[in-house]
Amino acid sequence: EVQLVQSGAEVKEPGESLKISCKGSGYSFTSYWIAWVRQMPGKGLEWMGIMYPEDSDTRYSPSFEGHVTISADKSSNTAYLQWSSLKASDTAVYYCATDSGTYQFDNWGQGTLVTVSS
Amino acid sequence: QSALTQPASVSASPGQSITISCTGSSSDVGGYDYVSWYQQHPGKVPKLLIYAVHNRPSGVSNRFSGSKSGNTASLTISGLQTEDEADYYCSSYTSGSTLLVFGPGTKVTVL
Repeated sequence: EVQLVQSGAEVKEPGESLKISCKGSGYSFTSYWIAWVRQMPGKGLEWMGIMYPEDSDTRYSPSFEGHVTISADKSSNTAYLQWSSLKASDTAVYYCATDSGTYQFDNWGQGTLVTVSS
Repeated sequence: QSALTQPASVSASPGQSITISCTGSSSDVGGYDYVSWYQQHPGKVPKLLIYAVHNRPSGVSNRFSGSKSGNTASLTISGLQTEDEADYYCSSYTSGSTLLVFGPGTKVTVL
């Protein structure tokens, strides 16, 4: 069974850095793209970017490029989403999801709530 | 602002059928067969319902079906049930730097 388990909720202040994780199991981690999706409170889904863990090929939505970094550690089957300087507007639930390569998100993590507040 | 448009809400009685539209352009919905649909209940994780326009993943009820005509994709829910009350999002591959875009979502209410 494919499982994506994300790290727990975070509360941060503006300007702080953060790295959240998404650990895959039950499938070949390097054979599927991993995407990150944002959902701001009461709002819809936004595609942030995607990475192919096998070769670290990474694509970002223009809306997020330069503000977040997507990475992965093949040895631990874990993908990461990180910020160097959080803003209050980064407050949202962040989901990771697998993509078999045809731009569909088959399996989702449980989501990580990030709250940025002073 | 999403490049795809969906109705904000759709409502119907149990047993009826509804269709949710997802309108884009020739750069996304109309140009590629990479349209997916997701269901999200309040506070829950999104679930893939339809991929590649009309394909259902294993385990998804055959009451859900997808189609596409021109720049508009559609999700039809037949035999509406109370558990279908949720938000529904379409997504599509898009040419250019954006790569993928979600629609704004449609809230389905079962009367």
